Amino acid sequence: GAVVSQHPSWVICKSGTSVKIECRSLDFQATTMFWYRQFPKQSLMLMATSNEGSKATYEQGVEKDKFLINHASLTLSTLTVTSAHPEDSSFYICSARDTSGRPSYNEQFFGPGTRLTVL
Amino acid sequence: GENVEQHPSTLSVQEGDSAVIKCTYSDSASNYFPWYKQELGKRPQLIIDIRSNVGEKKDQRIAVTLNKTAKHFSLHITETQPEDSAVYFCAATPRNTGFQKLVFGTGTRLLVSP
Repeated sequence: GAVVSQHPSWVICKSGTSVKIECRSLDFQATTMFWYRQFPKQSLMLMATSNEGSKATYEQGVEKDKFLINHASLTLSTLTVTSAHPEDSSFYICSARDTSGRPSYNEQFFGPGTRLTVL
Repeated sequence: GENVEQHPSTLSVQEGDSAVIKCTYSDSASNYFPWYKQELGKRPQLIIDIRSNVGEKKDQRIAVTLNKTAKHFSLHITETQPEDSAVYFCAATPRNTGFQKLVFGTGTRLLVSP
């Protein structure tokens, strides 16, 4: 149980285009999902918290108009990188908290990540 | 906000040796401390976690200890094997996030040589 999927696993796009990444909790409901960015040989940096049915909250320094987040259902959150540029190339990982009250409270389950390359 | 420091940044050991990775955190109210193993290009995988009301937890070759007074926690891997080679991240959940968000350490690259 507690599986999180991400799609696509990798994407290459031209500078100036937009890219959408999906994050799904497959066997549990997730009212809260998180989006991280990880540059090579660095740690995971939280970008934003995605809340089902409400606006996402962004970490300091993350442009909300550039990284659009939508959490329209209890199992799906999307991250859209708008007007992507080469510096946006990174490994984007989502995670979801199981808020059903099971013993795994607090634990975040990570998706497999999406490698974005902007040419 | 919470700051999590992790040491060492790299650790090389011989197969069969023990490995210890240490993390310190700044928010004394943080209540959940997971450790993740990440292989190249893969997702972080939870290997062990500990809550603030426990001082030590063990799962086969892996153990975590928590010293709340000193605000540090450590990962201990015994009888290391080459497949333990990966990057390990500690994390903490600070009070100012409602104990929801994970703040990650900078990571430790562990290399286990046969």
